[in-house]
Amino acid sequence: NAGVTQTPKFRILKIGQSMTLQCTQDMNHNYMYWYRQDPGMGLKLIYYSVGAGITDKGEVPNGYNVSRSTTEDFPLRLELAAPSQTSVYFCASSYPRGQGNEQFFGPGTRLTVL
Amino acid sequence: GQQVMQIPQYQHVQEGEDFTTYCNSSTTLSNIQWYKQRPGGHPVFLIQLVKSGEVKKQKRLTFQFGEAKKNSSLHITATQTTDVGTYFCAVTSGTYKYIFGTGTRLKVLA
Repeated sequence: NAGVTQTPKFRILKIGQSMTLQCTQDMNHNYMYWYRQDPGMGLKLIYYSVGAGITDKGEVPNGYNVSRSTTEDFPLRLELAAPSQTSVYFCASSYPRGQGNEQFFGPGTRLTVL
Repeated sequence: GQQVMQIPQYQHVQEGEDFTTYCNSSTTLSNIQWYKQRPGGHPVFLIQLVKSGEVKKQKRLTFQFGEAKKNSSLHITATQTTDVGTYFCAVTSGTYKYIFGTGTRLKVLA
């Protein structure tokens, strides 16, 4: 199993550009999450999904969009990138509570907006 | 909303010394998870605590859940350089969402 994979690893965007961060998991997990981690800080939840076709906002959803058309994939879309979105983005997945709901994290995407 | 405080923010210890980080919640928790993130890496799950007063051990790491289920601690005995990293607690806010603590960054001096 590859676990949780994320692409790209690094990206530099100009202000106003858009991009999609890809996240794929091969563990058949229902739950998937997107977090951002600013330098020296904790993780903030952006969006999460409890299954294909179901998504919901986390703590910091503004400026982002997600979709979940399959169990495996959970892409994060940035529209009109801003310097405040410079961060490391982590995708994670887990089984539901009651089935050992530890979160498995991907390696992250380091995004800089200039 | 739910708040999770972690203290201390930073800790530098000499190799062989003990280390403890604390996680405090403003509300009663259903469970708490602990993660470790090495510098430049991604968070890795360590353990989940569910029961009031629960204590779990993993080699030199001891995890404790408070009796009131509002706080938790992670204690490392005789730290090693491999323990370097940031330790986060994570608590559930509702059924699906997790709130992560601010983390404690541990530096171990050889």
